[in-house]
Amino acid sequence: GAGVSQTPSNKVTEKGKYVELRCDPISGHTALYWYRQSLGQGPEFLIYFQGTGAADDSGLPNDRFFAVRPEGSVSTLKIQRTERGDSAVYLCASSSGTGDYEQYFGPGTRLTVT
Amino acid sequence: AQSVTQLGSHVSVSEGALVLLRCNYSSSVPPYLFWYVQYPNQGLQLLLKYTTGATLVKGINGFEAEFKKSETSFHLTKPSAHMSDAAEYFCAVSPRGYSTLTFGKGTMLLVSP
Repeated sequence: GAGVSQTPSNKVTEKGKYVELRCDPISGHTALYWYRQSLGQGPEFLIYFQGTGAADDSGLPNDRFFAVRPEGSVSTLKIQRTERGDSAVYLCASSSGTGDYEQYFGPGTRLTVT
Repeated sequence: AQSVTQLGSHVSVSEGALVLLRCNYSSSVPPYLFWYVQYPNQGLQLLLKYTTGATLVKGINGFEAEFKKSETSFHLTKPSAHMSDAAEYFCAVSPRGYSTLTFGKGTMLLVSP
């Protein structure tokens, strides 16, 4: 079956611009996660959705970052007034939410802020 | 807060040699433990996980890991390296009953012929 997909695969934007990153989880998965991976680092947790609601957004670095999942499937990560420090690979993962704790990751979106 | 330490940002082995990638965690309660592999330009793939039960866990591609509570470790091993094992490996933990992951910084495995 289809895995987690993310679009775009690459995004180059200018400092100060607004960007949206999309994640399509595995069909039927109720849990969805966003992580950010900076160069030379492991992924860092940003936000976790269970269904339509954000169950944990403690990893969002500041109020420029926001994510939605209005119908409990596709999610969009939104970054306002981008900064060069936002440059990273943004990873999305989904899981069944039933307790097997296995997260399936997408290929990521590489964001470059110039 | 939980943390994960992976010793060695790069590990080099010869094809056919033992692979040992080290992972130690810091947590007041033993967490759930995971190893993920990341090939270039691909997403993370789960190799194996420990949640409960037997402390020696077998995963895909011949990898295994052993949870040692007394050492707060979850080292990854493979008896004989293949060229196709060259990738970056991440150890991760999550609190019991909760699913968000805390990752280590990763170890790049290099395999030479």
